[in-house]
Amino acid sequence: GQQVMQIPQYQHVQEGEDFTTYCNSSTTLSNIQWYKQRPGGHPVFLIQLVKSGEVKKQKRLTFQFGEAKKNSSLHITATQTTDVGTYFCAGKKSNTGKLIFGQGTTLQVKP
Amino acid sequence: NAGVTQTPKFQVLKTGQSMTLQCAQDMNHEYMSWYRQDPGMGLRLIHYSVGAGITDQGEVPNGYNVSRSTTEDFPLRLLSAAPSQTSVYFCASSYQGASGGYTFGSGTRLTVV
Repeated sequence: GQQVMQIPQYQHVQEGEDFTTYCNSSTTLSNIQWYKQRPGGHPVFLIQLVKSGEVKKQKRLTFQFGEAKKNSSLHITATQTTDVGTYFCAGKKSNTGKLIFGQGTTLQVKP
Repeated sequence: NAGVTQTPKFQVLKTGQSMTLQCAQDMNHEYMSWYRQDPGMGLRLIHYSVGAGITDQGEVPNGYNVSRSTTEDFPLRLLSAAPSQTSVYFCASSYQGASGGYTFGSGTRLTVV
């Protein structure tokens, strides 16, 4: 079945350092989505990538979708304490409602 | 506009009991899904629906039933609760099509003793 793997599971950084989380799918995806979940909260949609090789930016966050549409990454430049939380990637194999999540990367930022 | 509403927020069940977790959305979203979240396991898809009257199994459907009689509601039924079903359950909805990021409810924390 469709699997989405995400690494690392945890990352501790000093405030101001960069952070990257990687996502890999066992199958080609039609699109990939990224979510952020703050401690004790629910996942919140950040962005969706659809095209092969697509790169999108949201302020200090850069999202990439691989050429083969099987991997993706999220890079945060100069982390802040407000970036703390768990970041999930989630992939759709086709344009259906079936969205499969990776295990998530939990980011801790030391001030 | 309430978004996705889940009830109850907390529930304790005894092994073997049944119950229904409620989920309602007021955004006229076609897609709705149920996930469970366990430490270190991310969000695992239980069941999903692409519209009223249409449901399908996700990654971990055993022990759960769903129905989608209306666009707005997507209840999740636990048939005979087991301790392994202790988890946080999230309901989510989205529009059909390429722009569809999911909107999540605030979750139900379920403990089965």
